[in-house]
Amino acid sequence: EVQLEESGGGLVQPGGSLRVSCAASGFIFSGHWMTWVRQAPGKGLEWVANIKEDGSEKYYMGSVKGRFTISRDNAKNSLYLQMNSLRAEDTAVYYCARGGSSICLDSWGQGTLVTVSS
Amino acid sequence: EIVLTQSPNFQSVTPKEKVTITCRASQSIGNSLHWYQQKPDQSPKLLIKYASQSFSGVPSRFSGSGSGTDFTLTINSLEAEDAATYYCHQTASLPLTFGGGTKVEIK
Repeated sequence: EVQLEESGGGLVQPGGSLRVSCAASGFIFSGHWMTWVRQAPGKGLEWVANIKEDGSEKYYMGSVKGRFTISRDNAKNSLYLQMNSLRAEDTAVYYCARGGSSICLDSWGQGTLVTVSS
Repeated sequence: EIVLTQSPNFQSVTPKEKVTITCRASQSIGNSLHWYQQKPDQSPKLLIKYASQSFSGVPSRFSGSGSGTDFTLTINSLEAEDAATYYCHQTASLPLTFGGGTKVEIK
């Protein structure tokens, strides 16, 4: 069974940094694109970033380019999102999902809440 | 950026009724359109991939159709457990985008 479990969310001040993680199990992690999607409170879904199987390609939404970095460790079956210079508008539940590029997102984690506030 | 416009935004439906949700893309995306269901306080779940392919384990009352710019998600004979928000999502080009969502309420 495919399982994705996010962690690392929390309260951070504007301008601060946070790294969220996603632990994958139940499938060959190194064989899949992976994606981060976020959802602000009471709002819809928003694609944040995705990364190729071997980490050689990474893509970002415009408002996080230069501030967020997606990475993965295939030896640890883990996906990461390093978030710097955080803003109030980055407040959201962050989901990791299997898939990306031209591929649908067929499995999602339960999400981790990131709150940016002073 | 490809904009996905869903309609309606909200629908209140009686059990066993048929539900139709549409998703219009701002430019042609072939069949690179997927549908997700999100129940309150849960993560999204894939229902339909590539416009019309049912995902494993999804009840047969859910179906999808369309290509190019116009797509439809149909729920035949709505059940109480189908109360949720439904999103379309395109993977034809970056940035990947989602529709604004359609909330389905059970009367």
